[in-house]
Amino acid sequence: AQKITQTQPGMFVQEKEAVTLDCTYDTSDQSYGLFWYKQPSSGEMIFLIYQGSYDEQNATEGRYSLNFQKARKSANLVISASQLGDSAMYFCAMREGADFGNEKLTFGTGTRLTIIP
Amino acid sequence: DTGVSQDPRHKITKRGQNVTFRCDPISEHNRLYWYRQTLGQGPEFLTYFQNEAQLEKSRLLSDRFSAERPKGSFSTLEIQRTEQGDSAMYLCASSFYVGQNTEAFFGQGTRLTVV
Repeated sequence: AQKITQTQPGMFVQEKEAVTLDCTYDTSDQSYGLFWYKQPSSGEMIFLIYQGSYDEQNATEGRYSLNFQKARKSANLVISASQLGDSAMYFCAMREGADFGNEKLTFGTGTRLTIIP
Repeated sequence: DTGVSQDPRHKITKRGQNVTFRCDPISEHNRLYWYRQTLGQGPEFLTYFQNEAQLEKSRLLSDRFSAERPKGSFSTLEIQRTEQGDSAMYLCASSFYVGQNTEAFFGQGTRLTVV
């Protein structure tokens, strides 16, 4: 069974608008971590935001916030005031287990975000 | 530049040849990870090291693949007798583990094309 599901292969958003990228996950572990990465055309994976399964508050990092709904097993990324430089592939990823030293990540298939001027 | 460095950035090889990639992690990072990313997919975990010890290998890592990190600093990933299915982006990441997880930083990857 797929552990990370990103149902939006591509999205087009007008510059300065907010955008929500969907991510649902599947795990039987109580302890896990959820990540979002940005991958521009140059190839490197850029860490954006992290949410731990026991964190009660939704994570925020500048223009990025993570809408964590544990009961629904969803971890959507919200980008406020989108910019042209936000155009890239975005991946949701999960680290399972209580061993937070094991950083092996399971990634979704990604969403290609294109910001329109 | 103090980020994760991968070399080469691109490699084209004929089927059946051996190839070797290098990853230089961030200097103080003791954990190093290899991932493979095929077209249209997210990265898939291959293996990881803590210092020089290889702690886990994915079932994706067939016998033709071998990774080393001999001095706990840089790492190499070798693929023997390459096949067309090995064509992918190979990503390296590093992190600093001190009994608790920290953020992993990725390199720009090595894109392998097997013809």
